[in-house]
Amino acid sequence: DQQVKQNSPSLSVQEGRISILNCDYTNSMFDYFLWYKKYPAEGPTFLISISSIKDKNEDGRFTVFLNKSAKHLSLHIVPSQPGDSAVYFCAYHTGGFKTIFGAGTRLFVKA
Amino acid sequence: DVKVTQSSRYLVKRTGEKVFLECVQDMDHENMFWYRQDPGLGLRLIYFSYDVKMKEKGDIPEGYSVSREKKERFSLILESASTNQTSMYLCASSADRVGEKLFFGSGTQLSVL
Repeated sequence: DQQVKQNSPSLSVQEGRISILNCDYTNSMFDYFLWYKKYPAEGPTFLISISSIKDKNEDGRFTVFLNKSAKHLSLHIVPSQPGDSAVYFCAYHTGGFKTIFGAGTRLFVKA
Repeated sequence: DVKVTQSSRYLVKRTGEKVFLECVQDMDHENMFWYRQDPGLGLRLIYFSYDVKMKEKGDIPEGYSVSREKKERFSLILESASTNQTSMYLCASSADRVGEKLFFGSGTQLSVL
């Protein structure tokens, strides 16, 4: 049973427009949510995180929104660029040592 | 520049072979992890270690074991490789703080024939 669900396997967006990647979770006992980005033939790299006490965090073109009542997380990329084309993983980190990942969403940004 | 290095980029092994995947980090991180990535399943945690000689099972430890004799090195062992262990294996490390991000290696694509 997946604790972190990314229900869209892929997303296609035009360059310059907004990309919205979604994530739903079942376990309320987390400290942080993190987004990672993965290019082919490379390991995932950290993108942005949000703690459980916040509802929004921004870093340049990337904003993450946390809706605890809906158990929903979203990553907004504005404006989208072709170099953003990658697989994006939503993950949560508890007070222990485990980071639990979703299945990933492949983003295509068309020029 | 921080680095997690996995010893092999590609490996091809036969069913029943014992397989060693090596991982080294140069960041003096306490925590190290082994994940496998499969299409549609994301990254699944196999084992992790929070200190030298310490190890904890992740979500899918069956068929695997690990070794951490030195802080910088974490090895994943497939005692008797099977075809369902064909996968991309990713090693990661992190500092010992809540919410700390993971640093990943480039991965080892293992094919078991």
